[in-house]
Formats: sequence, C-alpha cells, structure tokens
Amino acid sequence: DQQVKQNSPSLSVQEGRISILNCDYTNSMFDYFLWYKKYPAEGPTFLISISSIKDKNEDGRFTVFLNKSAKHLSLHIVPSQPGDSAVYFCATTGAGSYQLTFGKGTKLSVIP
Amino acid sequence: SQTIHQWPATLVQPVGSPLSLECTVEGTSNPNLYWYRQAAGRGLQLLFYSVGIGQISSEVPQNLSASRPQDRQFILSSKKLLLSDSGFYLCAWSDSGNQPQHFGDGTRLSIL
Repeated sequence: DQQVKQNSPSLSVQEGRISILNCDYTNSMFDYFLWYKKYPAEGPTFLISISSIKDKNEDGRFTVFLNKSAKHLSLHIVPSQPGDSAVYFCATTGAGSYQLTFGKGTKLSVIP
Repeated sequence: SQTIHQWPATLVQPVGSPLSLECTVEGTSNPNLYWYRQAAGRGLQLLFYSVGIGQISSEVPQNLSASRPQDRQFILSSKKLLLSDSGFYLCAWSDSGNQPQHFGDGTRLSIL
C-alpha cells in the first residue's frame, strides 16, 4: 500500500509559467516533508522541506505548501525554467524514524 | 560545503561473489549515514543507517551487512551475492534530528 502518492507521472509547463507538483500521504504520523529533484544517472538532490508545524516554506523560486487536514503537499516553481526539467519526488518521515518514504515521482518538462 | 562520494557507479557481479560498496562524506562531522536500495519497479528502501562510528541499525533482514569504520565512511558488503541483490544502491548522509538526507549518485549493481 502506497503511503505517499504522486498521482501525476508527468507534467509539461511553458517556460516562465508556474509548475505545480502534488503529493498525497496517508499516515498522519508523518511530520517532516521533503521534495527532491533527480536527473538521469544521478542521485536525488534535496530541494526544500517543511515540518508539520508549518503550512508554507519558501526558498527562491520554490515554495512548498502543506495541508495537514487533507494530507496533501505541493511544490510550486515560479517561474519555471528549462533547467527545472527533471523527475521530482516528494518524501516524508515520521517522528523518530530514519526512513524516508518516497513517492514514485513526477517527470516535469519545461518547454522553452 | 559537504559532498558525498559513492563508488563504483556501475558494477556487474556473478552470483555468489562478494560485494563491497564504499561511501564517504566530506565537509561535515558525525553525520547520520544511510544505505538505500531501489529494486526494479520499486521505491527506495532503507537498508541500514548509522548514527555514529561502529553503530549500525538494520531495517530489513538480508544477506547484506554494513560497517562504519570511520566517522565519514560507510561500507555496504555481502559475502555471497544473490540474484535478488540486483538494484540501484544509494548512500546518503544527514545531520541529526529532522534534517534532509543528501544522496550520492548511486551504484547500479547487476548480478549475473
């Protein structure tokens, strides 16, 4: 049973527009949420995180939103750039756990 | 800045042969260290983690073992590889507490 779901396997966005990547989770014990970006033949690169005590965290062009009641997480990229084209994974962990649980990823293509 | 090195990038081994994958971290001290595996069509699974030299915790039973002989060195080993050990192995590090894990570029292991 998937505890972390990214329901869109792919997303295409025009350069300069907003990219919105979504993630849903089932376990209410998860309290720390992360987004990673992955290029082919490389490991995941950490982008941004948020703890369950917040509902928004912003870092430059990247903003993560957390809706705990809906168990929903989203990543906004504004403005999108061609270099943002990659696979994006959401991940989460619960209190006291070292295990990161990953979604299956969304492939973002930013079209020039 | 912190960097993580993992080698080799690819490895082809016969069934029953031994394995040693090495991971080193630079630019930090006393990191938490992790070994993950991604089997074909599956998500990332935590195999081992370590919060200090000589301290290893195993998340799943298997014929793999891990060791941490130095503060910033993490080694994944096997005495006899099985076909089911094929996969993509990722090493990661983090600071203690709720901190993001940072991944190496991985080793793709094929067992023949």
